[in-house]
Amino acid sequence: EAQVTQNPRYLITVTGKKLTVTCSQNMNHEYMSWYRQDPGLGLRQIYYSMNVEVTDKGDVPEGYKVSRKEKRNFPLILESPSPNQTSLYFCASSPASGYNEQFFGPGTRLTVL
Amino acid sequence: ELKVEQNPLFLSMQEGKNYTIYCNYSTTSDRLYWYRQDPGKSLESLFVLLSNGAVKQEGRLMASLDTKARLSTLHITAAVHDLSATYFCAVDMVAGDMRFGAGTRLTVKP
Repeated sequence: EAQVTQNPRYLITVTGKKLTVTCSQNMNHEYMSWYRQDPGLGLRQIYYSMNVEVTDKGDVPEGYKVSRKEKRNFPLILESPSPNQTSLYFCASSPASGYNEQFFGPGTRLTVL
Repeated sequence: ELKVEQNPLFLSMQEGKNYTIYCNYSTTSDRLYWYRQDPGKSLESLFVLLSNGAVKQEGRLMASLDTKARLSTLHITAAVHDLSATYFCAVDMVAGDMRFGAGTRLTVKP
């Protein structure tokens, strides 16, 4: 089944404890992206990647890191999480950027205490 | 800075009625997307609009794009309860750099 998977789906952590949220797609998509969703703000893009080893900042990159070492994986790293990073995170992928719909993962609900 | 504004943010409709959701954006782009999100779920794609004047229809939903006015509309015809969801428009600023609207929460009542 073609899909985007994220792990974990739910995470409660404490301020300053490094964490990684994984994202993987099995559709051989070139483009991948991370978003956070907060009430009343819609989705805001954190980072995106046009292809392997190519990443760019989105609208709200501060406090996050990403890497794209393989086409299928695009992990999101929070090196020192803070409470304002409590949010619902979505990973998405598409065949190529700009002309294709994105396929979204199921979401990761993160709480930083 | 690109802004994407949706109106209304909340919409309560009766079944059988028609209504339009508006998506305005503040910079030049000819790539606009509509997504649907059910409560507690992820987003799914509804429409991809890639040129001025593009119109797409699926069931009771029809989306259009006017790049000169920087406006997209999502028209709902004869609403049914199953259309209750949150609808997002998204604009592709530069290839890959996406901006979403705040979403329109639609409730269709019997």
